[in-house]
Amino acid sequence: GESVGLHLPTLSVQEGDNSIINCAYSNSASDYFIWYKQESGKGPQFIIDIRSNMDKRQGQRVTVLLNKTVKHLSLQIAATQPGDSAVYFCAENINAGKSTFGDGTTLTVKP
Amino acid sequence: NAGVMQNPRHLVRRRGQEARLRCSPMKGHSHVYWYRQLPEEGLKFMVYLQKENIIDESGMPKERFSAEFPKEGPSILRIQQVVRGDSAAYFCASSPGDYTGELFFGEGSRLTVL
Repeated sequence: GESVGLHLPTLSVQEGDNSIINCAYSNSASDYFIWYKQESGKGPQFIIDIRSNMDKRQGQRVTVLLNKTVKHLSLQIAATQPGDSAVYFCAENINAGKSTFGDGTTLTVKP
Repeated sequence: NAGVMQNPRHLVRRRGQEARLRCSPMKGHSHVYWYRQLPEEGLKFMVYLQKENIIDESGMPKERFSAEFPKEGPSILRIQQVVRGDSAAYFCASSPGDYTGELFFGEGSRLTVL
């Protein structure tokens, strides 16, 4: 399953499928990007990050892709599990300091 | 290792009262950030503080809101004369030093204004 457009609010996928969550960031000067996962009633948790001198970074079951030309970031989750159900936010930073968050995508994994 | 601690987790206030939200950063972290999250929305930056200094308060409303991070003790976000529109979850995050990296978030304080 894949979210398209700027910020599709929800994405529903079948357990075991791959998920792709997209994010358009706003500032071409941003040099650091982070994906966070927020479960219901909890604070955001770090998933993976990428610096602007890279275009791809892989973690455990997750991959982040960065396209600076179109200011686009994506999070790919392999073999999505029910525990992956949450809201996913991308965030951008410039030269340390505050992170600016996107509006988020709600991922629902169907068993 | 204790994470970022926020209290209270839930706070109910009547219009016109004051709300004080506290945040103790992770051990060794000297930078604190406050974010506000309305239901079904993203996190909006409010203020970024280091010990005894406000670094960036560009997201703070001009009136009724203030924040501090004293030399000793937790960071405090203070909302005076609360209104219904202040009802939200307020998240605190911390990071160590001058560092471009992940933020470590607390579980949030949920303010309800009656």
